[in-house]
Order: sequence, then C-alpha cells, then structure tokens
Amino acid sequence: ETGVTQSPTHLIKTRGQQVTLRCSSQSGHNTVSWYQQALGQGPQFIFQYYREEENGRGNFPPRFSGLQFPNYSSELNVNALELDDSALYLCASSFSRGPGELFFGEGSRLTVL
Amino acid sequence: AQSVTQPDIHITVSEGASLELRCNYSYGATPYLFWYVQSPGQGLQLLLKYFSGDTLVQGIKGFEAEFKRSQSSFNLRKPSVHWSDAAEYFCAANTNAGKSTFGDGTTLTVKP
Repeated sequence: ETGVTQSPTHLIKTRGQQVTLRCSSQSGHNTVSWYQQALGQGPQFIFQYYREEENGRGNFPPRFSGLQFPNYSSELNVNALELDDSALYLCASSFSRGPGELFFGEGSRLTVL
Repeated sequence: AQSVTQPDIHITVSEGASLELRCNYSYGATPYLFWYVQSPGQGLQLLLKYFSGDTLVQGIKGFEAEFKRSQSSFNLRKPSVHWSDAAEYFCAANTNAGKSTFGDGTTLTVKP
C-alpha cells in the first residue's frame, strides 16, 4: 500500500510569485485535504477535494486554489505569494468525506522571501 | 465555532515517568477525536482515535486516551515515557475527515 506522497519537499519563492504543490493520495482514498501549518501552530484546514470537486474550504483567500485529478492526486496552487504564506503545507487523504482518520504526507516546506 | 484547545504548550518529563497531555474540544455535537504525533520536519502520524463506545482507547507506541463527555476532554496518557517519544503532539477533532480542527500542539521534551 502506497502512502501519501508530496512534492517538492522544500522550495523557496519570492513575494508575488506563484507556487504549485503536488500530492498523491493513499491507494483507495478518494478524498484529499490540504492544510497549512505555520511555525509553532497546528495545521489549519485550507480545503478538501472529493471526486474532483471542492468540498469545503477554510478561511483562506481565493488566491489559494486546488485541483483533484481522476486518479485522486491533487494540486495546491498559491498565487501572489506573501511572506505569511511561509509554512509547511500538508496533504492528507481519507476514505471518504465522512468523519474519520486522515493519512498525512510529510509536507512541502515553503519559504517566501 | 468549533475549536480544540491544548492548554500545555510545552511539557518536560523524565524518561520512565508517566505522561498526560491535555485536550479540550468545543463542538456542536460529539466529534470524532484523534491524537497525532509529529517529529521535526515530518508529517503527522496517528496515535489513536475515538469514534464511539469504550471511552478508554488504546493506540500505538503504548499510548492511550480517555474521552470524558462531561468535561469535553480527550487526554492522552502514557505510563512510562521513552526518549524516542520526544515530539510534538496534536489533538484533533472532526465530523468530516478532511475538515479537521487541530489544537496548537504540545511539545514534549524527555529528560534522560
């Protein structure tokens, strides 16, 4: 069974640039969620994708967007990067939209200069 | 608003001592509850979960947690801590798996 994988693991961008982060969900999972974890804080929910459609969004501006593909892999895109976007971005997959366990990848560490 | 609170930012215990990490939640209905552990620079690993039934749940690595509805709490315990348990611990809750609410974490330091 393949776990959740994320790429890239680390990246550095400058203010105003755009970034795309990628995630492959665990085998058999059809739901992917993205979280932002700033230094010293717990993960904050960005949005969830279920069967290629956004299924809920946290308190993040529209410049945070995503996609889910037919194989249930996903992308997180962030436009017009700001310094406060520096964080660990975690992808998590789950069996369904209902309550239950999340399976996390190891994250993508984004630094915005 | 839904929230999860971990009152202790940092806890230090001696190796072999017992451990209790506190977690309180505020949700409209009883959510599913979880404890995750995160080593530096890594993703989160599930330690244990509570969905319903027996209020004392067992997890991996010798951890257990007790759900107390009257106190809206889900505290994590371990009878004897090992140096390898040093990490950050997160309590989380959800009624939808993807939209979990996390506490801000408790950093555990283990003294030799």
